[in-house]
Amino acid sequence: NAGVTQTPKFQVLKTGQSMTLQCAQDMNHNSMYWYRQDPGMGLRLIYYSASEGTTDKGEVPNGYNVSRLNKREFSLRLESAAPSQTSVYFCASSEDNPGHEQYFGPGTRLTVT
Amino acid sequence: AQKITQTQPGMFVQEKEAVTLDCTYDTSDPSYGLFWYKQPSSGEMIFLIYQGSYDQQNATEGRYSLNFQKARKSANLVISASQLGDSAMYFCAMREEAGKSTFGDGTTLTVKP
Repeated sequence: NAGVTQTPKFQVLKTGQSMTLQCAQDMNHNSMYWYRQDPGMGLRLIYYSASEGTTDKGEVPNGYNVSRLNKREFSLRLESAAPSQTSVYFCASSEDNPGHEQYFGPGTRLTVT
Repeated sequence: AQKITQTQPGMFVQEKEAVTLDCTYDTSDPSYGLFWYKQPSSGEMIFLIYQGSYDQQNATEGRYSLNFQKARKSANLVISASQLGDSAMYFCAMREEAGKSTFGDGTTLTVKP
């Protein structure tokens, strides 16, 4: 099992460019999450999806869109990148109820210049 | 209002000694889960321990234990017999029934030889 995979691992964008971060999990989890982690900080929830076809905003959704393509895949799109979006982005998945830990991908390091 | 508060940005501990990392939380959900994750300098997120809101006993996993005081809304992580490899950032997190997940800002632990 690969667990949670993310592509790309690194990306540099110019201000105003767009890109999509891809995430996939092979654990048959219903719940999937996107977080961002700024240097020296904790993880902040951008969006999450409790099941295929549903998405909900987290703490910092502005400037991002998501798509839960199917049960396995959950993508994060930056339509017009800004320097404030420079961060490390983590995707995670988990079983449904609060009693299960989240499994994290390796992260995508994004720099917007 | 911050849902997870970690008041110790940095902690030092001598090798082989025990250390307590503090975490307080805020929720009105009766059902929730509390988690601790470790993030070494390599960046991956590693699940350490889980405590459910209805659990009567404190959780333990090897050298990790969770000191759960529900009335005080605290969920402190205790690491016994610290090792050099324990040097990392530690995050307290909460999952609520609605599915959202919140992380604290983390505590950087340094184990001294």
